[in-house]
Amino acid sequence: AQTVTQSQPEMSVQEAETVTLSCTYDTSESDYYLFWYKQPPSRQMILVIRQEAYKQQNATENRFSVNFQKAAKSFSLKISDSQLGDAAMYFCAYRSGSSQAGTALIFGKGTTLSVSS
Amino acid sequence: DTEVTQTPKHLVMGMTNKKSLKCEQHMGHRAMYWYKQKAKKPPELMFVYSYEKLSINESVPSRFSPECPNSSLLNLHLHALQPEDSALYLCASSVHRDTYNEQFFGPGTRLTVL
Repeated sequence: AQTVTQSQPEMSVQEAETVTLSCTYDTSESDYYLFWYKQPPSRQMILVIRQEAYKQQNATENRFSVNFQKAAKSFSLKISDSQLGDAAMYFCAYRSGSSQAGTALIFGKGTTLSVSS
Repeated sequence: DTEVTQTPKHLVMGMTNKKSLKCEQHMGHRAMYWYKQKAKKPPELMFVYSYEKLSINESVPSRFSPECPNSSLLNLHLHALQPEDSALYLCASSVHRDTYNEQFFGPGTRLTVL
């Protein structure tokens, strides 16, 4: 069975600084997808960034980038130029490579990020 | 329309009540999901519908009864719930045969069982 581990329950960062959230996973599959989701307090969960396992290039989305180390099964999220609006709970998630509709996500326990001015 | 909507936003019910949660999407997604989320915890998968058929039931108690009347609508019928069922109930949907099968989440229904 696949597992996702986020070892940092809480992190903090100052505005304009950079922070890295850690995620490791365990799988025997070679084809899979990884995601970071953001859930602000009392607000909707939204996708921040995604990565296909077969792509060596790290995904980037504006101030968000990942460091994907497939051999080490590591998928960390870097947030550059942090903003107050980045304060949220961040979940790392894994999905099997099946293209079938309805393949479930496996979530880590989450990291609560606080941003101070 | 890239939105998943859920009603109601908040629900308070007694243990003998029957109520329903509703989820709707008009993105043409053919997979829809119900999750239960406790405070400061990750979402826990409850049910998955694929092409309007129940494909995954994660051993959820029978007091939760899902229904998918059509490809856009997902319901969760609640009956004889317990106080420990109080949580945020999230609905999500994803497209079929997309590379990522990214799941789009609704805002959730916050349920309190008295």
